[in-house]
Amino acid sequence: LQLQESGPGLVKPSETLSLSCTVSGGSISRSDSYWGWIRQPPGKGLEWIGNIYFTGSTYYNPSLKSRVTMSVDTSKNQFSLILSSVTAADAALYYCAKHRVPGYYFGLDVWGQGTTVTVSS
Amino acid sequence: EIVMTQSPATLSVSPGERATLSCRASQSISTNLAWYQQKSGQPPRLLIYGASTRAPGVPSRISGSGSGTEFTLTFSSLQPEDLAVYYCQQYSNWPLALTFGGGTKVEI
Repeated sequence: LQLQESGPGLVKPSETLSLSCTVSGGSISRSDSYWGWIRQPPGKGLEWIGNIYFTGSTYYNPSLKSRVTMSVDTSKNQFSLILSSVTAADAALYYCAKHRVPGYYFGLDVWGQGTTVTVSS
Repeated sequence: EIVMTQSPATLSVSPGERATLSCRASQSISTNLAWYQQKSGQPPRLLIYGASTRAPGVPSRISGSGSGTEFTLTFSSLQPEDLAVYYCQQYSNWPLALTFGGGTKVEI
């Protein structure tokens, strides 16, 4: 199973960031997995953004909840992230990843390579 | 929000030595803790979940322990390839919330 992020690398302040993650080598509709976004500002640690299940159920970081929307397209084997009203603080390496949850949480076991997002006018 | 605090920020160890990294939760999380290794320029890699269960392919020299609020990641004999930043992650309120620690950088 592999994950690949895609989307614009440059976003203007106050505009909307839109990223997609394509799942290959397996189905996004598997019952033992959730799909998530995690970001990492330059030189800093990891921040959880949110999770989505193939049914469309979503869970967001409370600190970002008002600006985040995640969606899933099972026909394309993709899930997406929209982050509105971006500022310089949203500049980061954005990872998509798979949570393994076969009845119990087994961690983020597959990660994409990440895509860098710069916020600048 | 559960806050995860890792220490030390940087750990300098010689090859072959034992190394211990710490992670503390601001409230009890039972054994709902994972550890990740991130090498330079790479995405994180899952090492441990359930506080002590190794992910597939993780060498036996790496072990996790702890419960409640105090957790450790131990290398019985540090190898040059263990140079990385290590993050703990709590998931006690899965899927509603996840939080990561700030990381520990291991220098060889």
